Amino acid sequence: TQLLEQSPQFLSIQEGENLTVYCNSSSVFSSLQWYRQEPGEGPVLLVTVVTGGEVKKLKRLTFQFGDARKDSSLHITAAQPGDTGLYLCAGLNTNAGKSTFGDGTTLTVKP
Amino acid sequence: DSGVTQTPKHLITATGQRVTLRCSPRSGDLSVYWYQQSLDQGLQFLIQYYNGEERAKGNILERFSAQQFPDLHSELNLSSLELGDSALYFCASSRSSGTLYPEAFFGQGTRLTVV
Repeated sequence: TQLLEQSPQFLSIQEGENLTVYCNSSSVFSSLQWYRQEPGEGPVLLVTVVTGGEVKKLKRLTFQFGDARKDSSLHITAAQPGDTGLYLCAGLNTNAGKSTFGDGTTLTVKP
Repeated sequence: DSGVTQTPKHLITATGQRVTLRCSPRSGDLSVYWYQQSLDQGLQFLIQYYNGEERAKGNILERFSAQQFPDLHSELNLSSLELGDSALYFCASSRSSGTLYPEAFFGQGTRLTVV
């Protein structure tokens, strides 16, 4: 079983601060996705990273895939209240047709 | 709006009962995935169908079953319900036959409460 551990589990910060959340595994994944989920809604895909060492930027969000494709990080610069939500990483093993979700990081950004 | 429609949005039922959750994928998507999200276990993959055929199976209990119909909508049947089955059930769809890559779209979920 491929497990993904996300840390921290909960994060509460003030508007304007920077933060990083982590997604770690002992398994290698074909690719890794980050989702954001708001209360009462389904997860929404933010990014997919495929290549080891890959860095992708989405406005104030920076995603990095580890060189060994076992871990990933999400860095948010100058967080805003609209960034509040549950951030989920999902490791994909496309050859096996399986995906594994982490338990998520609940982010609260206070105005 | 992801384009994936799930009904009902909320469902309250008693232990031992059977319920059916319905999912309509985005237009053109052939794959449907079912997930269970509970507070203590996160988002767990249950089962995937592609163009009417079962494609992949995850942590789906024997009391649960699913199918995908010729019009590509899918139903998840949960029987002999237990208190522990209370959770959010999500459906996602994608064009590909594989896992969620490159992109899958999630519905808003069905919140099931078993009392």
